[in-house]
Amino acid sequence: NAGVTQTPKFQVLKTGQSMTLQCAQDMNHEYMSWYRQDPGMGLRLIHYSVGAGITDQGEVPNGYNVSRSTTEDFPLRLLSAAPSQTSVYFCASSSLKRGGYNEQFFGPGTRLTVL
Amino acid sequence: AQSVTQLDSQVPVFEEAPVELRCNYSSSVSVYLFWYVQYPNQGLQLLLKYLSGSTLVESINGFEAEFNKSQTSFHLRKPSVHISDTAEYFCAVSGNSGGSNYKLTFGKGTLLTVNP
Repeated sequence: NAGVTQTPKFQVLKTGQSMTLQCAQDMNHEYMSWYRQDPGMGLRLIHYSVGAGITDQGEVPNGYNVSRSTTEDFPLRLLSAAPSQTSVYFCASSSLKRGGYNEQFFGPGTRLTVL
Repeated sequence: AQSVTQLDSQVPVFEEAPVELRCNYSSSVSVYLFWYVQYPNQGLQLLLKYLSGSTLVESINGFEAEFNKSQTSFHLRKPSVHISDTAEYFCAVSGNSGGSNYKLTFGKGTLLTVNP
């Protein structure tokens, strides 16, 4: 059981380049989300999904796209990277069982630098 | 909507001293409350959580937090810290109903530095 995996661990981009951050989970979780972590800002929700084919915006969605074609995968796309997107990105997942608490599990993070 | 305020961005302490990391929240609905820990260059780990019942919750490594509904607080405490407790600590909140209990709102974090 690998849990939540993220690739790559590190990435350096030039302004205007595009790339996809990968996130996968093997726990059959319905809920998946992307956060960005910036110094002094905590974690802020970018996008989330409650199931395959369903996505929604979080607090800071601008500049990012997501899709959810399978339960396991939730890639985050940067279409035209900007220096303001330099950050550490975390993916998280949880089940959505009704009537109780569903723990969120976090991936190890991707450290992205945009020059 | 929910929000979390962590009152201290940095807390330096000496080894074996007590520590308190403060967290206040606001919410229009009943909540679940969490403390996460992030060790240097690692991801987030759940440290402890309040869901219901006893307002005092404990972790396996000696931390405890108390839910105070009247003061809307969930402060984290440890009576004697170790060097290995050096990390960033995040307080988080979610609603506790079926439609909202998966969306976490985080505070900005408190960097705890334990010095020898």
